[in-house]
Amino acid sequence: DAGITQSPRYKITETGRQVTLMCHQTWSHSYMFWYRQDLGHGLRLIYYSAAADITDKGEVPDGYVVSRSKTENFPLTLESATRSQTSVYFCASSEGRRGSNTEAFFGQGTRLTVV
Amino acid sequence: GENVEQHPSTLSVQEGDSAVIKCTYSDSASNYFPWYKQELGKRPQLIIDIRSNVGEKKDQRIAVTLNKTAKHFSLHITETQPEDSAVYFCAASIGSFSFGTGTRLTIIP
Repeated sequence: DAGITQSPRYKITETGRQVTLMCHQTWSHSYMFWYRQDLGHGLRLIYYSAAADITDKGEVPDGYVVSRSKTENFPLTLESATRSQTSVYFCASSEGRRGSNTEAFFGQGTRLTVV
Repeated sequence: GENVEQHPSTLSVQEGDSAVIKCTYSDSASNYFPWYKQELGKRPQLIIDIRSNVGEKKDQRIAVTLNKTAKHFSLHITETQPEDSAVYFCAASIGSFSFGTGTRLTIIP
């Protein structure tokens, strides 16, 4: 299917466990992003990537790890999940042209609950 | 990094009236300013955007204005309808996207 997809859509995990959220896009967009959405905080950037093998921290990177070995995939790993990481996670992608981005397209979101 | 502030956090308007949401940004290098609408349980979706070399853009009932000198931009929705009820986010972009904290717009029938 064309577009940007996240998996799983819902996940419940225990404190201390490692969990990986997957994100796949079919447009070959250069930029990919991970956001978390919490009530009252809007969308906060966790990590982003401008191209394969290039990643940068966002506003709230602690406790998260990303990789981008292929342009189309951008997995997000919680190394040791904590209750404060309970949130809705959105992956997004965008093309960058001449120093400016185009529209960011969002995946469906992953609702993660850490118990 | 970029800091985007958005006001108001909630807004209620009578159906048919206009709604205005305002945002400010801190990084003068930001050059792309999209607005997203998010309905309950759904993903954010672009409704309109503006680039730094443009002062105003309109698409039917929706318009966005940008003041680069003051570093603020605004979303204007005219002739509001019940289906406009949603959360709206502004963003500023230079590489990554920094979002405001959102405005919950409620249209009162």
